[in-house]
Amino acid sequence: EVQLLESGGNLVQPGGSLRLSCAASGFTFSGYAMSWVRQAPGKGLEWVSGISGSGGSTYYADSVKGRFTISRDNSKNTLYLQMNSLRAEDTALYYCAKDHEYQLLRGFFDYWGQGTLVTVSS
Amino acid sequence: EIVMTQSPATLSVSPGERATLSCRASQSVGSNLAWYQQKPGQAPRLLIYGASTRATGIPARFSGSGSGTEFTLTISSLQSEDFAVYYCQQYNSWPPITFGGGTKVEIK
Repeated sequence: EVQLLESGGNLVQPGGSLRLSCAASGFTFSGYAMSWVRQAPGKGLEWVSGISGSGGSTYYADSVKGRFTISRDNSKNTLYLQMNSLRAEDTALYYCAKDHEYQLLRGFFDYWGQGTLVTVSS
Repeated sequence: EIVMTQSPATLSVSPGERATLSCRASQSVGSNLAWYQQKPGQAPRLLIYGASTRATGIPARFSGSGSGTEFTLTISSLQSEDFAVYYCQQYNSWPPITFGGGTKVEIK
């Protein structure tokens, strides 16, 4: 059974940093691209960042480029999102999501975690 | 960036009736369009990809159609568990991957 378990969300002050983790199990982690998708309270879905299965290719939304860094440790089956220079508008539930197709970077997601909440406020 | 626009924002439907949800892309995305369902307090669930292919375990009452810039999600006979928010998402040209604003299907 595929499982994605996010952690690391917290209350942080504007300008602060946070690292999110997503522990994956139930599939060959290194074979799938992964993404982070966020959802502000009461709002829709916003793709944040994606990474290839090997970790060699990374992609970002303009809203986070230069502030967030996606990475993965395939030996630990874990996805990360390092978030720096946080702003109030980064407040959201952050989901990690598994790409649908093996060894392809398609960009749609068949499994999602339950999310971890990031609140940026003074 | 490809902008995805969903309509209507809210759809009121009685159980057993058909629901038709629309999604429009600001430029062609071919058939690279997915639909997700999200219930309160839950993560999104993949329903449809490739504009018309049902994901694993998705009931046949859900169907997708369209290509290019115009897409439709149809729920043939709404069940109580289908009342939720539905999002379309394009993956033809990214980054960024983009989602529509969602359509809430509520009980009439």
